[in-house]
Amino acid sequence: DAKTTQPPSMDCAEGRAANLPCNHSTISGNEYVYWYRQIHSQGPQYIIHGLKNNETNEMASLIITEDRKSSTLILPHATLRDTAVYYCIVRGGLGYSTLTFGKGTMLLVSP
Amino acid sequence: GAVVSQHPSRVICKSGTSVKIECRSLDFQATTMFWYRQFPKKSLMLMATSNEGSKATYEQGVEKDKFLINHASLTLSTLTVTSAHPEDSSFYICSARGQRDEAFFGQGTRLTVV
Repeated sequence: DAKTTQPPSMDCAEGRAANLPCNHSTISGNEYVYWYRQIHSQGPQYIIHGLKNNETNEMASLIITEDRKSSTLILPHATLRDTAVYYCIVRGGLGYSTLTFGKGTMLLVSP
Repeated sequence: GAVVSQHPSRVICKSGTSVKIECRSLDFQATTMFWYRQFPKKSLMLMATSNEGSKATYEQGVEKDKFLINHASLTLSTLTVTSAHPEDSSFYICSARGQRDEAFFGQGTRLTVV
């Protein structure tokens, strides 16, 4: 699976949009971009995933660049409960592959 | 979404004893489950892949005799930490693979060996 690079930490004011970047320059054609988050002392929570088109769900939006070498997770209106470590993971196509977690980005949402 | 329940959420045990952690998929059948370990301020590290009805596949460096994994049914996988020592103290997390290859995670188990 391709390796990802994320900033170690980011700050965001409550109510503002949080934009979390991820670089995955070695991504291959059949690999998906997944985002998970982990609130302190809990198991990871799935947020969103995409292949090449932008995706949106009730939690977030995922913007993938045209060359697929980077992506941005957008939390449109961050709340205090969004404080967590966010993991960007590149994973092989459908079939079978494990999730390899990097160090992620610690997002701190402040009042 | 699908729910994965992990039990217990916290456990304290004496050095030398064994501890069993359960991971259940509550509303779906999971032929494959995964066990992770996480040290403080570190990322999750995959320990093993558990397949229903067959032996688990362990990652390099993980002792299979120390971390016994049983996946006897489509909804239950267990991890037993045998002869636990203080260095085994960690946060253990399971995940279950959904029908569309999603990964659903349990709440995690905080193990403290004293």
